[in-house]
Amino acid sequence: DGGITQSPKYLFRKEGQNVTLSCEQNLNHDAMYWYRQDPGQGLRLIYYSQIVNDFQKGDIAEGYSVSREKKESFPLTVTSAQKNPTAFYLCASSTLGQGPYSNQPQHFGDGTRLSIL
Amino acid sequence: AQTVTQSQPEMSVQEAETVTLSCTYDTSENNYYLFWYKQPPSRQMILVIRQEAYKQQNATENRFSVNFQKAAKSFSLKISDSQLGDTAMYFCAFMAYNTDKLIFGTGTRLQVFP
Repeated sequence: DGGITQSPKYLFRKEGQNVTLSCEQNLNHDAMYWYRQDPGQGLRLIYYSQIVNDFQKGDIAEGYSVSREKKESFPLTVTSAQKNPTAFYLCASSTLGQGPYSNQPQHFGDGTRLSIL
Repeated sequence: AQTVTQSQPEMSVQEAETVTLSCTYDTSENNYYLFWYKQPPSRQMILVIRQEAYKQQNATENRFSVNFQKAAKSFSLKISDSQLGDTAMYFCAFMAYNTDKLIFGTGTRLQVFP
């Protein structure tokens, strides 16, 4: 079945440690996104990518890094510079429309919950 | 900058009844999309309904419909014949035309009880 796979479902990080969250999609979508979700807040965009080997910062990119070496993969690294990494992280993907009024809805994975030990 | 406001942190409704969730947004854009996403306890985000701003007709998807008031920048979601499976967080989201950035509201927690 086509979809987005995030792993692991739960992740624990020690202070000062980098961790990488995996996101893989087999929907042949061009665009991929990473969001952070905190209690009482909506999703906030961390990074997004519209094409392989290119990505842009979202609203809260500090302390995070990404890569897009393959179309189907968009891993997110939470670095030690991220002072408050405990959150629920969601990956999404979408096709890129052409022409006006053709933005496509985003499809989401099941998320990864990151906690600090 | 665009903002999305959901003023109802929590709502409840009895099974088979109708409930309306509110959403307002602020933008200077004329062309954009609006979405309602559902996040059940499993935490997966599921697209419920989508509205293009240039369309005057309100979008409907089975028991879900919207009341889109462009001048008032209002985009409410009506759930008819509520079911227990509708229990979830509901997020309103905005996307300007020709961008890929979704702007989310803070969500409304809906509880459907028997």
